[in-house]
Amino acid sequence: TQLLEQSPQFLSIQEGENLTVYCNSSSVFSSLQWYRQEPGEGPVLLVTVVTGGEVKKLKRLTFQFGDARKDSSLHITAAQPGDTGLYLCAGAFTSGTYKYIFGTGTRLKVLA
Amino acid sequence: KAGVTQTPRYLIKTRGQQVTLSCSPISGHRSVSWYQQTPGQGLQFLFEYFSETQRNKGNFPGRFSGRQFSNSRSEMNVSTLELGDSALYLCASSRTYRELSTGELFFGEGSRLTVL
Repeated sequence: TQLLEQSPQFLSIQEGENLTVYCNSSSVFSSLQWYRQEPGEGPVLLVTVVTGGEVKKLKRLTFQFGDARKDSSLHITAAQPGDTGLYLCAGAFTSGTYKYIFGTGTRLKVLA
Repeated sequence: KAGVTQTPRYLIKTRGQQVTLSCSPISGHRSVSWYQQTPGQGLQFLFEYFSETQRNKGNFPGRFSGRQFSNSRSEMNVSTLELGDSALYLCASSRTYRELSTGELFFGEGSRLTVL
């Protein structure tokens, strides 16, 4: 059974601090997405990573895909209150039956 | 272009009733997936439709059903509602069915169902 574990579950930091969120699986992803969800809204796609070792940057957000494609990280530099939300990783597994699974989520609160 | 539209946004039902939720995907997207989101279980996959056919189904009881129309709009139905069905129901669209894509989903704002 494929599971996506995210850590930490909760994170409360001050504006201007840096943080890293992790997404880990025991199985190999064929692709992985990161989403951010704000209260009362649906998740919004931030990035897709496909190649092992891939690094993508989106303004202050840096996404990294592990070399073995079993893990990913999201690093936020100089966090702002607007970064507050639920961060979800989601991965596609194509060995055997296709599955697309969401991680357990990291709830981030950035205090002004 | 317009995003994914879900209706209604909020609804309250009582146990035993049934509910129908609607989803209009992004124009040109032919795949619609449905998810249930609760604080305890996170995002759980319900089913995916592509070209009016159900392609994948999650581990939910038969009380949960769906369909897709020729214009790609989709509906999901929950019959004989239980208290545990209270959740945010999210619809997501994509250009094609997910095995053929890298998996990106575009979500609507959700329908929040409360069962009393």
